[in-house]
Amino acid sequence: KQEVTQIPAALSVPEGENLVLNCSFTDSAIYNLQWFRQDPGKGLTSLLLIQSSQREQTSGRLNASLDKSSGRSTLYIAASQPGDSATYLCAVEPFGNEKLTFGTGTRLTIIP
Amino acid sequence: SQTIHQWPATLVQPVGSPLSLECTVEGTSNPNLYWYRQAAGRGLQLLFYSVGIGQISSEVPQNLSASRPQDRQFILSSKKLLLSDSGFYLCAWSVRARGSGNTIYFGEGSWLTVV
Repeated sequence: KQEVTQIPAALSVPEGENLVLNCSFTDSAIYNLQWFRQDPGKGLTSLLLIQSSQREQTSGRLNASLDKSSGRSTLYIAASQPGDSATYLCAVEPFGNEKLTFGTGTRLTIIP
Repeated sequence: SQTIHQWPATLVQPVGSPLSLECTVEGTSNPNLYWYRQAAGRGLQLLFYSVGIGQISSEVPQNLSASRPQDRQFILSSKKLLLSDSGFYLCAWSVRARGSGNTIYFGEGSWLTVV
């Protein structure tokens, strides 16, 4: 059974700093891995999707990497801003199964 | 462009009362549809999954049921709510062909409090 873990559960950093969020998964047989952002009381917004054949994806100040062999992904946020404060979740889509398995998320707070 | 609508946004219901949450998708055909629940401090739990009209896969035994009466409509129901049904319910959709980089899109969620 696929398990997705995100550590730490919460993170606070001063504005302007670069930061890395971590995601690990137990089964490397995946089609892709996605990173989502969730604001309090809201739905999830897809940030980046990395296909299994890719190593990384970039969008603006965000960069996500994928290392399938080690079962790890990171989300790098450059020059953090207070507006980046949210919960970030990763999810994997396994082979032969169209259902995502989500991590429990990292709640990020950017301190002005 | 595709959009997903979910309602009601907030609901307070007494124990034992019925429930109906509705979700519709616009701008796409034959989507995969999902109902997730997010309990406080926990990750997203997949409740139901549908690949077509009348085709529902239940992921966990529970007090809830789902129906898909139309291609782009997905309904979450309960005949008698329990306190443990409280949580944040999210509807989502994705393109049918998987494994090729198709992302999943979420609605804004419905807060259910059972009292």
